[in-house]
Amino acid sequence: QVQVVQSGAEVRKPGASVKVSCRPSGYTFASQDLNWVRQAPGQGLEWVGWVNPNNGDAGSAEKFQGRVTLTADIAVDTAYMELFGLTSEDTATYYCVRGRRSGRYYYLDSWGQGTLVTVSS
Amino acid sequence: DIVMTQSPDSLAVSLGEKVTITCKPSESIYFGPSKRDLLAWYQQKSGQPPKLLVYWASTRESGVPDRFSGSGSGTDFSLTISALQAEDVAVYYCQQYFSLPLTFGQGTRLEIK
Repeated sequence: QVQVVQSGAEVRKPGASVKVSCRPSGYTFASQDLNWVRQAPGQGLEWVGWVNPNNGDAGSAEKFQGRVTLTADIAVDTAYMELFGLTSEDTATYYCVRGRRSGRYYYLDSWGQGTLVTVSS
Repeated sequence: DIVMTQSPDSLAVSLGEKVTITCKPSESIYFGPSKRDLLAWYQQKSGQPPKLLVYWASTRESGVPDRFSGSGSGTDFSLTISALQAEDVAVYYCQQYFSLPLTFGQGTRLEIK
């Protein structure tokens, strides 16, 4: 059974950065891309980006480009999302999700429990 | 970016009644080489992460009750719950995976009347 376990909640001041980790289990880590999706309090879902653990390729939504780094370390079966230049608008729960590639891109079949990132002065 | 528009934003339905939620992408998400529409549906209960219900517009994920069904093609899709159960109270989202960025509908909140 696939499980995705994420690191714990974080509090940061505006302008700081945050790094969230994600460790899936129950399948071969390098075989599937991982995606990051965020959800602001009481709001909908917003896709942040993806990373291929096998070769390190990554991409993100245009609004996050230059501000997010998505990486994966196959030695420890862990993926990371680092977000820089935080503002209050980045306050959200960040989900790490396995992407099942089908056709062109992914549907998202196994979700982590979420990591709440709070940005506050 | 493909904009996903769901309707209604919220609805309240009696137990045992049928529920239909619609989702309209701003452009076709039909992928010719696989002859499939690249649309998924998710259920998010309060305080939990979303859960995959349906992919390829109409294929139920393993373990999802058969009262949930997806249908549609091109730019008109729907998720139907044949007979509402109390445990179906949640927010439902559609998502396209035809192009990047992946985009979601705004969500439909389902409650019991």
